[in-house]
Amino acid sequence: EAQVTQNPRYLITVTGKKLTVTCSQNMNHEYMSWYRQDPGLGLRQIYYSMNVEVTDKGDVPEGYKVSRKEKRNFPLILESPSPNQTSLYFCASGRRGGSSYNSPLHFGNGTRLTVT
Amino acid sequence: ILNVEQSPQSLHVQEGDSTNFTCSFPSSNFYALHWYRWETAKSPEALFVMTLNGDEKKKGRISATLNTKEGYSYLYIKGSQPEDSATYLCAYNTGNQFYFGTGTSLTVIP
Repeated sequence: EAQVTQNPRYLITVTGKKLTVTCSQNMNHEYMSWYRQDPGLGLRQIYYSMNVEVTDKGDVPEGYKVSRKEKRNFPLILESPSPNQTSLYFCASGRRGGSSYNSPLHFGNGTRLTVT
Repeated sequence: ILNVEQSPQSLHVQEGDSTNFTCSFPSSNFYALHWYRWETAKSPEALFVMTLNGDEKKKGRISATLNTKEGYSYLYIKGSQPEDSATYLCAYNTGNQFYFGTGTSLTVIP
């Protein structure tokens, strides 16, 4: 089954304790991206990746890191989480480039992160 | 940060009513306009991706139109059913980046 898998679904942590949210897709998509969803705001893009070893900042990258060492995986790393990073996070993947801009994003199930 | 606006913010309709929502977006640097359906406790699922001015797409009772020159898209639902209750998101794509609206929350009352 084609899917984007995020883990964990729920995470409660304390300020400053490094954490990683994993994201994996099995559709051989070039493009992967991370978003956060906060009340009253639309999904905001944190980072995106056009392909292996190619990553770039979205609109809200501060406090986050990503890596793309393999095509299928795109982990989101919070080196020193703070309470303002409490949010619902989504990973998404899609085809990109050439005539693929008419292809949709496929979303993971989300990770609800609470930083105390 | 580009501004994508959706209206109305929320909508309650009776079963069987037809309804429509609006998404407005910048008309510059346009690659595609996406519509997603997002049910509570699930992840957003794609409805339509439109790239050309004048595009119209249809899936069952749901359809969408696109005007890239004036920067808006409409989503229509004909004969709303309770299972249509969800938040409908639009996203403006500039190639590599996506800018989402805050969504329209639809509740269909049986």
